[in-house]
Amino acid sequence: AQSVTQPDIHITVSEGASLELRCNYSYGATPYLFWYVQSPGQGLQLLLKYFSGDTLVQGIKGFEAEFKRSQSSFNLRKPSVHWSDAAEYFCAVGGTGGFKTIFGAGTRLFVKA
Amino acid sequence: DADVTQTPRNRITKTGKRIMLECSQTKGHDRMYWYRQDPGLGLRLIYYSFDVKDINKGEISDGYSVSRQAQAKFSLSLESAIPNQTALYFCATSGDRNQPQHFGDGTRLSIL
Repeated sequence: AQSVTQPDIHITVSEGASLELRCNYSYGATPYLFWYVQSPGQGLQLLLKYFSGDTLVQGIKGFEAEFKRSQSSFNLRKPSVHWSDAAEYFCAVGGTGGFKTIFGAGTRLFVKA
Repeated sequence: DADVTQTPRNRITKTGKRIMLECSQTKGHDRMYWYRQDPGLGLRLIYYSFDVKDINKGEISDGYSVSRQAQAKFSLSLESAIPNQTALYFCATSGDRNQPQHFGDGTRLSIL
């Protein structure tokens, strides 16, 4: 069965520091992977997606993610965090055999000055 | 204007009341979804629709119903609201299978 695990419920980083948010998935076929961001009072916005090809994908707002099939991971990274990045981040997985996207429980990012 | 619009944005109501949440979209997508979000649980799928004649239950459909009035409109109803349906509800749309979803800003529903 499909599942997505985001091991960190919340993370605090200093402004200007690097960021890595972890995501592990379980899926029996080729996964389609997504990262979304949710700012307070808003819906989810797509940051980036991986369908195939280059395993390092670039997204909006300076984010990138790397697909590692051997580790069943799709971690999100940013080299230098800005205060405006404080939000909740969701990893999600879908696949060719299905039509539903499964979301992780989310990681809330706090940014300190 | 937003591509996916949800109304109302906030609603407080009492146990036993019937409630309808509405969603409309201008993206021209066939696929529409209703999710609820609870702290620590992420998003859980309530219902989804691939076109106006196709309605499917998600993982937590009990206590909910939906209506797809047109390609652009997908409403969610709580026939008799109960307190554990207090949550943040999102409507989303997508194009082809497994394409990214586009979300509305959500409806915060409180049932007393």
